Amino acid sequence: GESVGLHLPTLSVQEGDNSIINCAYSNSASDYFIWYKQESGKGPQFIIDIRSNMDKRQGQRVTVLLNKTVKHLSLQIAATQPGDSAVYFCAENLLGTYKYIFGTGTRLKVLA
Amino acid sequence: GAGVSQSPSNKVTEKGKDVELRCDPISGHTALYWYRQSLGQGLEFLIYFQGNSAPDKSGLPSDRFSAERTGGSVSTLTIQRTQQEDSAVYLCASSLILTGVQPQHFGDGTRLSIL
Repeated sequence: GESVGLHLPTLSVQEGDNSIINCAYSNSASDYFIWYKQESGKGPQFIIDIRSNMDKRQGQRVTVLLNKTVKHLSLQIAATQPGDSAVYFCAENLLGTYKYIFGTGTRLKVLA
Repeated sequence: GAGVSQSPSNKVTEKGKDVELRCDPISGHTALYWYRQSLGQGLEFLIYFQGNSAPDKSGLPSDRFSAERTGGSVSTLTIQRTQQEDSAVYLCASSLILTGVQPQHFGDGTRLSIL
């Protein structure tokens, strides 16, 4: 399938370990953030979102942390599984606008 | 289906030909976006629609690119006189409303290859 990026930063983790993927966002006026997962040949799949009035949000096996002071977003995946192997990227939305800014992504490789 | 549907999934065409890419958004989603994703690159914004109108076309790379949306639903992205640099995956996304209070949902894209 289509590779979404040949030179993306890569994070390799052992199956069962926790993964942390980081994203530095660009605009202090951004107030809504999304993490996407993109598998080869597929479109980006929504994982979890967070608004700027929160600093942590949890989903099923995933947690997003937002640090507005340093404009940093992270995605934590608990008990990483082979099916988690994909490219992950963050998106930020500027308050009150249509515009989304996407990060270039991190490739997660899960080692058996 | 319940998701965003794009067709064709793959398109191979000769340089100079016109191509038309189709996007069926999630029913009821008023906002629709087109992006381009090249190898080693992030998502490049092309155009968005609110209903049938496209207030911002500034992301379209050249006047060979155009898009329309009818009935507040299906959208087509047309590339005329294709060039090799147009080769990429073209992604469509829709969301319930325009501003960032609902996530965008993406289709699987059209992989366009220009020979």
